[in-house]
Amino acid sequence: DVKVTQSSRYLVKRTGEKVFLECVQDMDHENMFWYRQDPGLGLRLIYFSYDVKMKEKGDIPEGYSVSREKKERFSLILESASTNQTSMYLCASSPSGGYSYEQYFGPGTRLTVT
Amino acid sequence: AQSVTQPDIHITVSEGASLELRCNYSYGATPYLFWYVQSPGQGLQLLLKYFSGDTLVQGIKGFEAEFKRSQSSFNLRKPSVHWSDAAEYFCAVGVFTGTASKLTFGTGTRLQVTL
Repeated sequence: DVKVTQSSRYLVKRTGEKVFLECVQDMDHENMFWYRQDPGLGLRLIYFSYDVKMKEKGDIPEGYSVSREKKERFSLILESASTNQTSMYLCASSPSGGYSYEQYFGPGTRLTVT
Repeated sequence: AQSVTQPDIHITVSEGASLELRCNYSYGATPYLFWYVQSPGQGLQLLLKYFSGDTLVQGIKGFEAEFKRSQSSFNLRKPSVHWSDAAEYFCAVGVFTGTASKLTFGTGTRLQVTL
């Protein structure tokens, strides 16, 4: 089975802190994604990566950056956390190829910024 | 741009009753459609997907969905709901951007099951 793991289930940080959310997948997938999930808004794509060191902005990239130095690991960085970044963050991965839309999700990290 | 609408934010059904969750999509080309389920405190799990062919697709846990191009819909159904089906359900449409295949999600429908 595909396994996507996220470094923390719950995280509490202070406003202005630099925050790292880590995601690791074990299926050699080319594509990795970061979403945030908020009540009533569903999942919104922050960034995705289609190869090592390659990234593209999603729908809501402001206030975030990402890093992908190894194929299996994709990090989401909040340079200076703010209270409006309190949310559930979900990581996903998928293989490449024109029909490879199925994404495999991690359990999520619930981040609270105080 | 593609979009997905799930008109029902919250649905309550009795255990054993039938279920239909609505999903409407907007996309110019042939859509690739998905239903995911998220149990409390968990990530998303794929229930079923439609790429082409038979418009009635079967998924896991006894779920099925029917693609209707004329109505731009992909509604999820289950004949008899179990208490363990209580969760949040997301419909999504897949789009290839040239670099990766992305999903656009609806806002979700939360299902409550009464005993």
